[in-house]
Amino acid sequence: GQQVMQIPQYQHVQEGEDFTTYCNSSTTLSNIQWYKQRPGGHPVFLIQLVKSGEVKKQKRLTFQFGEAKKNSSLHITATQTTDVGTYFCAGCGFGSNDYKLSFGAGTTVTVRA
Amino acid sequence: EAQVTQNPRYLITVTGKKLTVTCSQNMNHEYMSWYRQDPGLGLRQIYYSMNVEVTDKGDVPEGYKVSRKEKRNFPLILESPSPNQTSLYFCASSLSGRGRVEGGYTFGSGTRLTVV
Repeated sequence: GQQVMQIPQYQHVQEGEDFTTYCNSSTTLSNIQWYKQRPGGHPVFLIQLVKSGEVKKQKRLTFQFGEAKKNSSLHITATQTTDVGTYFCAGCGFGSNDYKLSFGAGTTVTVRA
Repeated sequence: EAQVTQNPRYLITVTGKKLTVTCSQNMNHEYMSWYRQDPGLGLRQIYYSMNVEVTDKGDVPEGYKVSRKEKRNFPLILESPSPNQTSLYFCASSLSGRGRVEGGYTFGSGTRLTVV
């Protein structure tokens, strides 16, 4: 089955700085989704990318899907303390993997005020 | 309020004692799934269901059972729990497009299970 790898595992950011987390799949994906999990909470859906090369923005968050549909990135600008949490990417495959959403291990973000 | 409800939130049990974690959604979603979350491993899929009476194995199904007799409910059953099943469990549902998981999952609040 497909495997989704995320880097880095941990990201320590000074408040106000930018950072990027990356997601790579071993196989081509039909779509990729991003989730945020606050400490002690449950994952919350952020966005879904479907098209090759697609870029979507949510305020300070920019999501990108690679041209080959095997990688994705999340870029956060001007990090705030509210950005603390773990960000997961999750990829959906084709064919027999249509219904299987495979999650990466996540990037845990801490913010220094 | 649209939500996925899991019970219990916390459970401590002994090895071999059968248990069931319930999951219910009120969004008329076709697709439901169970995940376990362990440090450094992210969310791993246990079982999923595409619709009533249709279930399939995820990546880590050993030691678990599920059933989908009604659209809203998707219980997770541990017939004989073992300590390696100590984990944080999440139920999730999604409005499933044809052959695809679309629109994102809605997750329950989680069940923290400890098997001693």
